[in-house]
Amino acid sequence: GQQLNQSPQSMFIQEGEDVSMNCTSSSIFNTWLWYKQDPGEGPVLLIALYKAGELTSNGRLTAQFGITRKDSFLNISASIPSDVGIYFCAGLRYGGSQGNLIFGKGTKLSVKP
Amino acid sequence: DGGITQSPKYLFRKEGQNVTLSCEQNLNHDAMYWYRQDPGQGLRLIYYSQIVNDFQKGDIAEGYSVSREKKESFPLTVTSAQKNPTAFYLCASSRDPSNTGELFFGEGSRLTVL
Repeated sequence: GQQLNQSPQSMFIQEGEDVSMNCTSSSIFNTWLWYKQDPGEGPVLLIALYKAGELTSNGRLTAQFGITRKDSFLNISASIPSDVGIYFCAGLRYGGSQGNLIFGKGTKLSVKP
Repeated sequence: DGGITQSPKYLFRKEGQNVTLSCEQNLNHDAMYWYRQDPGQGLRLIYYSQIVNDFQKGDIAEGYSVSREKKESFPLTVTSAQKNPTAFYLCASSRDPSNTGELFFGEGSRLTVL
């Protein structure tokens, strides 16, 4: 079946550092989304990307839809303690049912205060 | 405030028992979904419903059942046929049934089988 390879699996960084994570697949997707899940909570949508090459920002977060349509990247600038959580990428294939929304396994981010 | 409410947040069940997880939304969304999350894993789709009185199986529907009698409600029953039910269950909704991938999630229900 389709899989999204999300990396790194976990990160442990100093407050103030920039963070990068990515998601790759052997399949083409028409939409890439990034969600964040706080401990014990449901995920919240951070950024949605709908066009190859698109670069979108949301505050300190910047995400890009890869030109090949097989990958996406999320960057967090100047990390702060509340950035802690699990970040999930999700890819959606064109014309698919909801069953074609595929989630990566997540990147767990821990920040030293 | 609009949102999705899942209950209970924590639930313990003995083996062989069925249990029903509640999901209610007041966002006026047509589509609702149930996902299962296991440690270190992504979200896996159990069932989804794009309209009242209609629902479809996701990737891991075996051992689960749902109903969609009202637009606001999409309860999930974990039956005794589900061999490994201990997990974190997430309900979600979306305003666009045609599927943009933009989901609003509840806070989750953690089920533990004793």
